[in-house]
Formats: sequence, structure tokens, C-alpha cells
Amino acid sequence: NAGVMQNPRHLVRRRGQEARLRCSPMKGHSHVYWYRQLPEEGLKFMVYLQKENIIDESGMPKERFSAEFPKEGPSILRIQQVVRGDSAAYFCASSDTGGPREETQYFGPGTRLLVL
Amino acid sequence: GNSVTQMEGPVTLSEEAFLTINCTYTATGYPSLFWYVQYPGEGLQLLLKATKADDKGSNKGFEATYRKETTSFHLEKGSVQVSDSAVYFCALRYGGATNKLIFGTGTLLAVQP
Repeated sequence: NAGVMQNPRHLVRRRGQEARLRCSPMKGHSHVYWYRQLPEEGLKFMVYLQKENIIDESGMPKERFSAEFPKEGPSILRIQQVVRGDSAAYFCASSDTGGPREETQYFGPGTRLLVL
Repeated sequence: GNSVTQMEGPVTLSEEAFLTINCTYTATGYPSLFWYVQYPGEGLQLLLKATKADDKGSNKGFEATYRKETTSFHLEKGSVQVSDSAVYFCALRYGGATNKLIFGTGTLLAVQP
């Protein structure tokens, strides 16, 4: 059973460009979470999605950031007009369901974004 | 609000030494508690978890007990190996409408031969 897939693994962008990060959840998982890890810090929650729905985006910056999880295809985290402060590792996690207390989130290898 | 506090690293130990990484939490209700491990250049892997008070999570020689009275979930291992060198994250999840994880800042463990 393949794990959570993220691509690209590394992404370099210049200030003002757009960054698109992709996440394919584990097979059978319909819940996706995005986290950001700034240098020397822990992971911070950004957004929680189910298929075609955003459930919780309380951790997403109000501007330039958006996320989607379409009926078909991977989840996309999109950052418009990137700035140097967006440089970080972005991790995606998936889970089978969102309800039970025992439900575990499985993480992908991350996308390391560097903004020049 | 809900938060997780971990001991600061780095923690440097010799092989076969005893390991403790402290983790305390602040939360309303009854969260689930987790330890994740991150090896260099990789994503996070679930190490162990506990979902209610007095539960003990264990895996690969690591253990942690959910202590509600002290709001703690300290990670322990009796004899560390060089291959245990990694960053360890304590996290909580309190469910509800969202299942987001709240992480501590991570503790770097370096084990020397």
C-alpha cells in the first residue's frame, strides 16, 4: 500500500511567482491535512480538506494561499506571489476518516520550498 | 488555548544510554497524544500514540504514558542506538469538527557510538 505521495520534493521559486504543491493521499483515504514547518520550528496546521470540501482552514494565511481537494486527482496547495517568508517544508497528511479518536494521520515526505 | 511544550534539544547521548524527552500539554477536554519521529530529509512517521488517560503507547522500544494528572506524555527508551538519531515531535489532537494536530517544537536526539 503506497504511502502519502507529495511532489515535487524540492521547489525553487523567485519572489512573485506561483508555487503549486501536490499531495496524493494513501489509497482509500479521503481526508487530507496540510502543515507547514518553518526552519527550526515545529509543524503548524494550515488546512483540513475532504473530497471537494474545506473543513477547517483556520491555519491558512488569508491572502495568497489556497487549497483544494477535487473529486478526482491530488490535493493542491497553491501559493501565489511567493515571498521569502514562504520558504519552508510543506507536509501533507491523510487519514481514513475524520471522526474516531484513534484515527491516525500518515505523513508524506514533504515539499521543500525555497523562495529566492 | 491548546499547546504542547517539549524539552529543548539537542539531546546528545552515548549508545545504550537511557532516553527521556519531556512533553507536557495544555488542552481542554481529553485529547489524543502522539509522538512522531522525523529522520533527516524525510517526513514524519508515527512512533506511538495514546488516546486516553493512563494508556501507554509503545513501539520499537520507545514508550510513553498518558498522564492526565500531570498533563504529560514523556517519551522514554531504555537503550538508544545510533539509528535513533532524529527529531522527535510530541503532538496532541482533540478531535471535534477538525482533527488537526498541534505539535511541539521538536527535540533533536543525537546518539553517538
